[in-house]
Amino acid sequence: DIQMTQSPSSLSASVGDRLTITCRASQIINTHLNWYQQKPGKVPKLLIYGASILNSGVPSRFSGSGSGTDFTLTISSLQPEDFATYYCQQSYSTSWTFGQGTKVEIK
Amino acid sequence: EEQLVESGGGLVQPGGSLRLSCSAPRFTLRSTAIHWVRQAPGKGLEYVSAISSNGAGTYYADSVKGRFIISRDDSKDTVFLQMSSLTTEDTAVYYCVKESKLILDAFDIWGQGTMVAVSS
Repeated sequence: DIQMTQSPSSLSASVGDRLTITCRASQIINTHLNWYQQKPGKVPKLLIYGASILNSGVPSRFSGSGSGTDFTLTISSLQPEDFATYYCQQSYSTSWTFGQGTKVEIK
Repeated sequence: EEQLVESGGGLVQPGGSLRLSCSAPRFTLRSTAIHWVRQAPGKGLEYVSAISSNGAGTYYADSVKGRFIISRDDSKDTVFLQMSSLTTEDTAVYYCVKESKLILDAFDIWGQGTMVAVSS
């Protein structure tokens, strides 16, 4: 199965900060990479699919990039509602593996 | 608004069984692949199982292979996850999730989840 590794596992940031989360796949997955946001007590929400395509309704401060094995999720200017846990997921193979998550906390 | 609804969770003893159900009040599941994803308390998302749109293809994570069976009943427009030989490691919220071909097979709709607690 394809393993997905996110870094960092957690980070502290301030409103207005630019932050980047990375996700690495254990083998090439082209651009079959999705990002989800989960707030405490809530259901995960799809942010980005196909590595860089913003899902409908997602603010433009979110962006994704990468292909092959290395990917990034960037938030250009962190807002209070962005404090959450972010997960990457590969949809290249039928194991649909998730990364372990990156928790973004308020500094 | 499209939504998925899970049911069937609860408290079960180790070694026991449960059957989870997933339905959609406002759209049909018949033309879509459905997945189950679980989340243990305080932990991350773990992929569990999938069934193709026609039911011919199924997939299981190694952690549940041989113990869980995913199926669909198109007459009831429902997807099931039959779980047996449950252990405390299976304690989690189980989400039913819809895959969308329109967004490159990403998971666009998640149910609210149903809690499965395995404990003696």
